[in-house]
Amino acid sequence: ILNVEQSPQSLHVQEGDSTNFTCSFPSSNFYALHWYRWETAKSPEALFVMTLNGDEKKKGRISATLNTKEGYSYLYIKGSQPEDSATYLCVFNQAGTALIFGKGTTLSVSS
Amino acid sequence: GAGVSQSPSNKVTEKGKDVELRCDPISGHTALYWYRQSLGQGLEFLIYFQGNSAPDKSGLPSDRFSAERTGGSVSTLTIQRTQQEDSAVYLCASSLATGVRHSPLHFGNGTRLTVT
Repeated sequence: ILNVEQSPQSLHVQEGDSTNFTCSFPSSNFYALHWYRWETAKSPEALFVMTLNGDEKKKGRISATLNTKEGYSYLYIKGSQPEDSATYLCVFNQAGTALIFGKGTTLSVSS
Repeated sequence: GAGVSQSPSNKVTEKGKDVELRCDPISGHTALYWYRQSLGQGLEFLIYFQGNSAPDKSGLPSDRFSAERTGGSVSTLTIQRTQQEDSAVYLCASSLATGVRHSPLHFGNGTRLTVT
């Protein structure tokens, strides 16, 4: 059974703090890794699609790195704002299989 | 609209009744996925359609669940003889034919199903 682990499960930070989360996935037959942001009462929204070992992607204050050989990806948020409060989902795609979602990291940012 | 559309947005049904959930993907997206999120759980894969290929039904939890996709577009997820454990948010997502290696998923707003 393929497993995608996200840590921490939840996180509470103060406005202005920088933070990061981890997604761990099987390192064999890697195909793609996605990050999504899921705000309450909304549908998940794509942040990044990552396909190559060593990929680094950035969107505003949010960035992500990918290590396919060791099976992990980090998501970083610099200078967290209250509007960053959401659940961040990691989605792993191994060649020939359906997408597998992690359970998410729920971030809460206090002003 | 240009996004993935799901209906109904909320459904309350009595245990034992059948329900149908509908998903209208983005035009041109040939890949369509159904997921559900039960209370306190992560997203659980249910079924995946890709073009005219046979669907991947490996995530359907029981034979009470079925899904079809007519004309390569609209999809219907049917749950027969609903049980309380079927209560969840059912999400539909679509992506381009080139698959998820380069194309992210676009999600609908979900259907919240409550079985009483």
